[in-house]
Amino acid sequence: DTAVSQTPKYLVTQMGNDKSIKCEQNLGHDTMYWYKQDSKKFLKIMFSYNNKELIINETVPNRFSPKSPDKAHLNLHINSLELGDSAVYFCASSPKRGGFTELFFGEGSRLTVL
Amino acid sequence: DQQVKQNSPSLSVQEGRISILNCDYTNSMFDYFLWYKKYPAEGPTFLISISSIKDKNEDGRFTVFLNKSAKHLSLHIVPSQPGDSAVYFCAASAANAGGTSYGKLTFGQGTILTVHP
Repeated sequence: DTAVSQTPKYLVTQMGNDKSIKCEQNLGHDTMYWYKQDSKKFLKIMFSYNNKELIINETVPNRFSPKSPDKAHLNLHINSLELGDSAVYFCASSPKRGGFTELFFGEGSRLTVL
Repeated sequence: DQQVKQNSPSLSVQEGRISILNCDYTNSMFDYFLWYKKYPAEGPTFLISISSIKDKNEDGRFTVFLNKSAKHLSLHIVPSQPGDSAVYFCAASAANAGGTSYGKLTFGQGTILTVHP
């Protein structure tokens, strides 16, 4: 009964490959996000979707393509993986579109590009 | 250009004593601040928050203080417990003209808190 779940938790792949990370939330929230934690440990927003509509695209390379089939799911597809894509990717959701927003995070997906 | 900074990478405290974690920010548009706690191999979990219209918010053992003029906030944990050992992230958001932040949080790089028994 995990609130925000991501799969896979660990992903090791070669440069140039395409990979996807899936995220599902069972909290009934309207808004979902992808955050990236880089090697310096900063968490930075990548995308925000509200009820399947893209709200935030934080100048992420277009090799990254989020897809929201419904408001409970937000998947992240990455084409032509590069070494610099190695990071921990966190999915999150929130009960409100904005304002004073508390985000609920998944456990993270550690991507290693070799 | 990091708009939220946690200048102490780590903090070590004895059980029962006070833990004080600090956070500085540069963006005067930030109007809501949050603290998240993260255990290894888990996602960050929300701990406590404060609106810019307040200078203090308390929840059990956790108190957050906001000094807007200094662009500084701190998290106090009293008394500290070994189970509090984790990474603590400070985060901030700014509502746009429409009154929404769209959930965009700007995080600091975290402070590792270790509470010794």
